[in-house]
Amino acid sequence: EVQLVESGGGLVQPGGSLRLSCSASGFSFSSHVMHWVRQAPGKGLEYVSTIRTGGRSTSYADSVKDRFTISRDDSKDTVYLQMSSLRVEDTAVYYCVKELSGAYRFDSWGQGTLVTVSS
Amino acid sequence: QSALTQPASVSGSPGQSITISCTGTSSDVGGYNHVCWYQQCPGKGPKLIIYEGYERPSGVSNRFSGSKSGNTASLTISGLQTEDEADYYCCSFASGGTWVFGGGTKLTVL
Repeated sequence: EVQLVESGGGLVQPGGSLRLSCSASGFSFSSHVMHWVRQAPGKGLEYVSTIRTGGRSTSYADSVKDRFTISRDDSKDTVYLQMSSLRVEDTAVYYCVKELSGAYRFDSWGQGTLVTVSS
Repeated sequence: QSALTQPASVSGSPGQSITISCTGTSSDVGGYNHVCWYQQCPGKGPKLIIYEGYERPSGVSNRFSGSKSGNTASLTISGLQTEDEADYYCCSFASGGTWVFGGGTKLTVL
């Protein structure tokens, strides 16, 4: 069974940093493209970032570009999201998402971790 | 990277059909076949119900169907049931290797 378990969320002040982790199990992690998607309280889903197999190719939403960095450690079956220069508007539940191999669709979602940016 | 445009809300009675539109640009919906739809029930994570614009994952009811014309994708739910009441999001692959979601549509089954 596919499991994606996010951790690292919490309360941080504006301008601060936080690193989210997503531990994966139940599938061949290194063979899959992984994403982060967020959802602000009471709001819709928003794409954040993608990391492709091998880890060298990444993509970011304009809203987080140059502030967030996605990475992966295939030896640990884990994907990370390093967030810096955090803003109040980054407050959201952050979901780790698995893409079905070669299929351009998100087929498994974690339970999410809440990041609150507030003074 | 502007969000795809969806109606904020739609409603229908049990047994009726409804359609939710999702309008983008030639850089996302109009430029790629990789359009998905997700259902999100209150307090739950998103569930994939349509991919590649019209394909259904196994286990998803055939009451859900998708289509695309130009820069607009559509989700139709036929034979509405009370358990269909949820938020629905469209999603498209976009230029630059990114993805973009719609703002979401709240479906109310009266």
